[in-house]
Amino acid sequence: KQEVTQIPAALSVPEGENLVLNCSFTDSAIYNLQWFRQDPGKGLTSLLLIQSSQREQTSGRLNASLDKSSGRSTLYIAASQPGDSATYLCAVSPAFNDMRFGAGTRLTVKP
Amino acid sequence: EAQVTQNPRYLITVTGKKLTVTCSQNMNHEYMSWYRQDPGLGLRQIYYSMNVEVTDKGDVPEGYKVSRKEKRNFPLILESPSPNQTSLYFCASSLKRDSNQPQHFGDGTRLSIL
Repeated sequence: KQEVTQIPAALSVPEGENLVLNCSFTDSAIYNLQWFRQDPGKGLTSLLLIQSSQREQTSGRLNASLDKSSGRSTLYIAASQPGDSATYLCAVSPAFNDMRFGAGTRLTVKP
Repeated sequence: EAQVTQNPRYLITVTGKKLTVTCSQNMNHEYMSWYRQDPGLGLRQIYYSMNVEVTDKGDVPEGYKVSRKEKRNFPLILESPSPNQTSLYFCASSLKRDSNQPQHFGDGTRLSIL
């Protein structure tokens, strides 16, 4: 059964820093991987989706990479801002009709 | 505006008192699902529905019921709530049951069962 782990559980950085969030998964046979953002009192918003055949995806200051062989994905946030403060969730799809979530990393960007 | 609406947003109740959390989407999506989110565990799927009158169990269905009588609505029913069902609940919908399809999430319902 696919298990998804996100380390660290919480991260606090000063504004302007570049940072990396980590996601690891136990089974390399995946359909896709997604990164979500969750704000307090709000639902999840999809940030980036990486297909199994892709190595990375970029959107603005965000870059997500995927290394299936090692069971890892990273979310890189450049020039962090206080508005980036949120919980970031990684979700791995073992098949098209399934999705397994990590517990998330709570990011705080201090002004 | 495309949205998934959950009600109530917050509820404190007592063990054994039946409750229903409603979920409604205005995007004509076929696929809807319920998740619960607990600290350190991530989101876990409770039930899902592929279309009207088609529902199935997710990973943690015990103690919950659902129905899908209309395409837009997918209520979550707790017939006899217990304290271990205290959690943050999310409803989500997408066009089809395909993780490549964008999923739209509601803002969550925080349930506390005393």
